[in-house]
Amino acid sequence: TQLLEQSPQFLSIQEGENLTVYCNSSSVFSSLQWYRQEPGEGPVLLVTVVTGGEVKKLKRLTFQFGDARKDSSLHITAAQPGDTGLYLCAGGVRSQGNLIFGKGTKLSVKP
Amino acid sequence: NAGVTQTPKFQVLKTGQSMTLQCAQDMNHNSMYWYRQDPGMGLRLIYYSASEGTTDKGEVPNGYNVSRLNKREFSLRLESAAPSQTSVYFCASRTGVNYGYTFGSGTRLTVV
Repeated sequence: TQLLEQSPQFLSIQEGENLTVYCNSSSVFSSLQWYRQEPGEGPVLLVTVVTGGEVKKLKRLTFQFGDARKDSSLHITAAQPGDTGLYLCAGGVRSQGNLIFGKGTKLSVKP
Repeated sequence: NAGVTQTPKFQVLKTGQSMTLQCAQDMNHNSMYWYRQDPGMGLRLIYYSASEGTTDKGEVPNGYNVSRLNKREFSLRLESAAPSQTSVYFCASRTGVNYGYTFGSGTRLTVV
């Protein structure tokens, strides 16, 4: 059974602070994705990474895929209240038709 | 830009009642999925359809059935609802492997 462990589960920080969320597995994934979900809505795709060691930036968000394609991190610089939400990582295996989701990190950024 | 449309948004059922959750996508995606989201459990796959004409069980298929009506539509049926099926249900679609999901906005189902 493939599992994705996310840490931390909860994070409450002040506006302007930096933070990192981690996503770890013992399995190798062909792709890894990050989503953000706001209350009452479905998750929204932020990024997909497919190459070991790959780094992608989306404004203040930096995503990294581990060299062995077993882990990933999401770093937010100078967090803002608008970054508040549930962040989910999801791993894909080429031979399977679906994604495996982590349980999420609930981020709260206070003004 | 409709994306993935789910109906209804909210539903209350009595134990033993049946209902069908509808999902339609307008992005010409090949694959469609049904997940349930529960506190502390994350998103769990119920059923998926990799392409039109095929369906496969996911992690938690018991008590559910699905129909891939055509390329656009993928419905989820609860034949005899149970309180354990109280959850938020999400439909998603994507064009293929290594591509991201587009999710609907969810159906909040309560079974009393």
